[in-house]
Amino acid sequence: AQSVAQPEDQVNVAEGNPLTVKCTYSVSGNPYLFWYVQYPNRGLQFLLKYITGDNLVKGSYGFEAEFNKSQTSFHLKKPSALVSDSALYFCAVRRSGSARQLTFGSGTQLTVLP
Amino acid sequence: NAGVTQTPKFRVLKTGQSMTLLCAQDMNHEYMYWYRQDPGMGLRLIHYSVGEGTTAKGEVPDGYNVSRLKKQNFLLGLESAAPSQTSVYFCASMEGGAGTEAFFGQGTRLTVV
Repeated sequence: AQSVAQPEDQVNVAEGNPLTVKCTYSVSGNPYLFWYVQYPNRGLQFLLKYITGDNLVKGSYGFEAEFNKSQTSFHLKKPSALVSDSALYFCAVRRSGSARQLTFGSGTQLTVLP
Repeated sequence: NAGVTQTPKFRVLKTGQSMTLLCAQDMNHEYMYWYRQDPGMGLRLIHYSVGEGTTAKGEVPDGYNVSRLKKQNFLLGLESAAPSQTSVYFCASMEGGAGTEAFFGQGTRLTVV
């Protein structure tokens, strides 16, 4: 079985400060890892993914994420937060070689304070 | 390019009624998924399809049925709605290959009273 944990339901950060949204995963074999963002009353939008290669992955809107195999983590980061980054963020994992199941974490609500 | 379109966007059902949610994608994707989103629980997979004419159970399939008669459409049915099925339902599609990302529809907010 595969699982994702997002230990923080809510993250608050001041505008201009760096932000981190945490994610840890459990999967057999090599993981494919994804971050999605959801704005109010909208569907999920893809931000970035890790498949293989460089552990630091860059994505949309200035976000990046660092894959750490030993800690089974894939934390989402941004150097300077914007108020418009306020949204619900989901981490997801899929086992490599299987397109069948994408398992999501419970989500982290990010609020950027002006 | 419409992407993934879900119909309807909102619906209120009485307990015991039936309904069908329609998901249509215009990206020629092989894989399609139905998820439900509940507060504090993230997205949970209900059913999925890896190609036209195929369906499979996900994490929470009870009380739902699906069909994929055409590649571009994936239907989710509730035969006898229950209040526990009050949720936001999302459809997603994916081109293929485990490393590709899924594209999501806007969601259907279903309330069962």
